[in-house]
Amino acid sequence: QQQVKQSPQSLIVQKGGISIINCAYENTAFDYFPWYQQFPGKGPALLIAINPDVSEKKEGRFTISFNKSAKQFSLHIMDSQPGDSATYFCAAGGIRSSSGSARQLTFGSGTQLTVLP
Amino acid sequence: EAGVAQSPRYKIIEKRQSVAFWCNPISGHATLYWYQQILGQGPKLLIQFQNNGVVDDSQLPKDRFSAERLKGVDSTLKIQPAKLEDSAVYLCASSLRQGARNTIYFGEGSWLTVV
Repeated sequence: QQQVKQSPQSLIVQKGGISIINCAYENTAFDYFPWYQQFPGKGPALLIAINPDVSEKKEGRFTISFNKSAKQFSLHIMDSQPGDSATYFCAAGGIRSSSGSARQLTFGSGTQLTVLP
Repeated sequence: EAGVAQSPRYKIIEKRQSVAFWCNPISGHATLYWYQQILGQGPKLLIQFQNNGVVDDSQLPKDRFSAERLKGVDSTLKIQPAKLEDSAVYLCASSLRQGARNTIYFGEGSWLTVV
């Protein structure tokens, strides 16, 4: 009920290509869907986020597509660059049933993206 | 603006020993989180504070883990006694408040290896 499933586990893309990472959730109480980017030795940092009122959000080369009925969302990285090589985590925000009223993020397992020069 | 500060960055201990991690959140952030990130996995929430009160510790292994946030600012996470499976990165994070869609800012983490 509380899981966020992320795929693929790893992804290799040529420079200039499109990177696509997919996530699925089960808890319909989730109402906030951020993506975090993590470089080796660093903490995750917010990349882009969407709420379920819209089906797509674009910020520069990064786009989130959101399908509420399917309970799926994805990150698209256009014109992928070597500097995009990092681990990407999707997350879903809301109240977990076990947390009472505390709003929290539940993270996916991560996708290690490598962009070849 | 200073980010979330954590120390120590790296720690190696033997099993059954104890360890403590310290976190200083972004100034003014009321909500503080401790996450555990095992290699190859996403961060898992251990405990969440609102000011100096605990709002959720349902995933904290309370037989060995403890955390406190004195005066609603700094926080410490303690593990005693440590087990091999506690080897992970312990991430502290903070947000302005606990509400819908508040950005969570992470520190660089404290890397723990239990041997």
